[in-house]
Amino acid sequence: DIVMTQSPDSLAVSLGERATINCKSSQSVLSTSNNKNYLAWYQQKPGQPPKLLIYWASTRESGVPDRFSGSGSGTDFTLTISGLQAEDVAVYSCQQYYSTPLTFGPGTNVDVK
Amino acid sequence: EVQLLESGGGLVQPGGSLRLSCAASGFTFSSYAMSWVRRAPGKGLEWVSTNSASGSSTYYADSVKGRFTISRDNSKNTLYLQMSSLRAEDTALYYCTKEGVDPQVFYFDSWGQGTLVTVSS
Repeated sequence: DIVMTQSPDSLAVSLGERATINCKSSQSVLSTSNNKNYLAWYQQKPGQPPKLLIYWASTRESGVPDRFSGSGSGTDFTLTISGLQAEDVAVYSCQQYYSTPLTFGPGTNVDVK
Repeated sequence: EVQLLESGGGLVQPGGSLRLSCAASGFTFSSYAMSWVRRAPGKGLEWVSTNSASGSSTYYADSVKGRFTISRDNSKNTLYLQMSSLRAEDTALYYCTKEGVDPQVFYFDSWGQGTLVTVSS
């Protein structure tokens, strides 16, 4: 099984500042056949279901603000929120879909400082 | 607009059974793989099971294999999860999810609101 880890567990960022969340997989999720990283990011606000933000490690889902960006390859990935807004307070989780069992990171809690 | 409406959750005793349903609308149900994902209290998201678009292929987490069965009725646009031999550790909010636009690639672009399963005596 591919184990996903995230850091930090939580972070508090001032409004308008940058938030950076890291995700690491225990083995590469980069496919050599199509050169794509099988990595997604989700946002979950309290009382709401998760929402897809990013897939293929860096492709933003339709309707997601461009302050959210994903980067990385292989085993190391980053979600960046450039200019935190109050509505971005949430738990952010990464997920690998390279192989089953599909696995998620434990989540990173983002709050306003 | 994609809508996924779960039902069937509730309180059940250890060893009991429950069937969850997910009524889908707003997309061509038979064209997409569907999955169940859960979140236990205080824990992260956990993938439970996936059913391919045709229903011919199913995948399970080891934690539920042999106890849970995923199925779908494409004529009714409905996904099911039959859960048996339930354990306390199955207590969670269960989400119905739809795969993204890339076929046979299991990230989830739509989620239901979830249905709560509580396993307790």
